[in-house]
Amino acid sequence: GAVVSQHPSRVICKSGTSVKIECRSLDFQATTMFWYRQFPKQSLMLMATSNEGSKATYEQGVEKDKFLINHASLTLSTLTVTSAHPEDSSFYICSASVSGTNYGYTFGSGTRLTVV
Amino acid sequence: TQLLEQSPQFLSIQEGENLTVYCNSSSVFSSLQWYRQEPGEGPVLLVTVVTGGEVKKLKRLTFQFGDARKDSSLHITAAQPGDTGLYLCAGVRPGNTPLVFGKGTRLSVIA
Repeated sequence: GAVVSQHPSRVICKSGTSVKIECRSLDFQATTMFWYRQFPKQSLMLMATSNEGSKATYEQGVEKDKFLINHASLTLSTLTVTSAHPEDSSFYICSASVSGTNYGYTFGSGTRLTVV
Repeated sequence: TQLLEQSPQFLSIQEGENLTVYCNSSSVFSSLQWYRQEPGEGPVLLVTVVTGGEVKKLKRLTFQFGDARKDSSLHITAAQPGDTGLYLCAGVRPGNTPLVFGKGTRLSVIA
């Protein structure tokens, strides 16, 4: 089946630094990748939609200069949290839609970001 | 904005009990998916229901899609501690669009 590999699974960083999260589609081409944020005991909140080769579309209230998304190839999308602060600590998950198959949507395993 | 109302948000039951989780919307979806998520992991797809009135079974889990394709339910029979987790319903819209998630149901099954 379609697999999305997300790295790192956990990261701790200092306030003010930047962190990059990668999502790779291993056996299919992901023209569209969705990035979610999840707070403890809550559902997934869509942050942005990225399409290969074009600028990401951000949801209302999500700062595009803080959460930089790059989708330069059909198999890789990255989310960079810039100048991270403790309130950015969260669980970040990527998801790809798999067109033309019965797979539907496939999710990465998530990244637990802790900013200290 | 299409919203999915999911209930209950929290459920704590004894092993062996039955339970039902509901997902309702005022909008029609192309299909509806149910996911289960363990702590620290991404959601894992359990089932996709596509046709109005459809019923799918996955061992002790029964999924229904409403006739009007606006609502769905997940019924678990004889719950076990291994069923503990966050259950999410998600509406699928036409095209390459993101899923619309419900708020989730956090299930705890006590042995």
